Amino acid sequence: SYVLTQPPSVSVAPGQTARITCGGNNIGSKSVHWYQQKPGQAPVLVVYDDSDRPSGIPERFSGSNSGNTATLTISRVEAGDEADYYCQVWDSSSDQHWVFGGGTKLTVL
Amino acid sequence: QVQLQESGPGLVKPSQTLSLTCTVSGGSISSGDYYWSWIRQPPGKGLEWIGYIYYSGSTYYNPSLKSRVTISVDTSKNQFSLKLSSVTAADTAVYYCARDAADWGQGTLVTVSS
Repeated sequence: SYVLTQPPSVSVAPGQTARITCGGNNIGSKSVHWYQQKPGQAPVLVVYDDSDRPSGIPERFSGSNSGNTATLTISRVEAGDEADYYCQVWDSSSDQHWVFGGGTKLTVL
Repeated sequence: QVQLQESGPGLVKPSQTLSLTCTVSGGSISSGDYYWSWIRQPPGKGLEWIGYIYYSGSTYYNPSLKSRVTISVDTSKNQFSLKLSSVTAADTAVYYCARDAADWGQGTLVTVSS
């Protein structure tokens, strides 16, 4: 089955840029979604189809995807961005259509 | 804007069947090109896709759970449901329903314990 690998944690100071990676075999050929999850809350979609933002998501959130790595970039990080972030792909070529990464805890220093 | 709400028992005994319902409001479950999904999250752990039912009625399940999972739709009630049989403590989790990637319910905690 397809495996997505994320770093367990990323730390960044307020105002700086956070980059969270998601590694997978030839992930650049797939469509990647990113979710933000705060404690006790349901995940919220922040980037879909590699780099598009749902309505209401700040422009500070952006995504890219190429080769074996997809990246979620959060610019001008704020305290309120502290959360767990998950990448997800839709892999209709396998039996496991939705695959999630293990999640990355973003800490704002 | 569509809203989803999970409901069902919060406590299930080992070896029994877990049954949850997701009620959809603000849109018809039978209209549109959507996948209606169930996802779960064990306490302190990551997200796991359980499966989904396509608007056409086709179902797709996580291979690791396939032998125990059934997802169905009741269009008359605008609901879709999850049944997970032969549960163990490892099935203790917050269970979410979702429409495609964008719209999720708030989740419901199901504990498997005698």
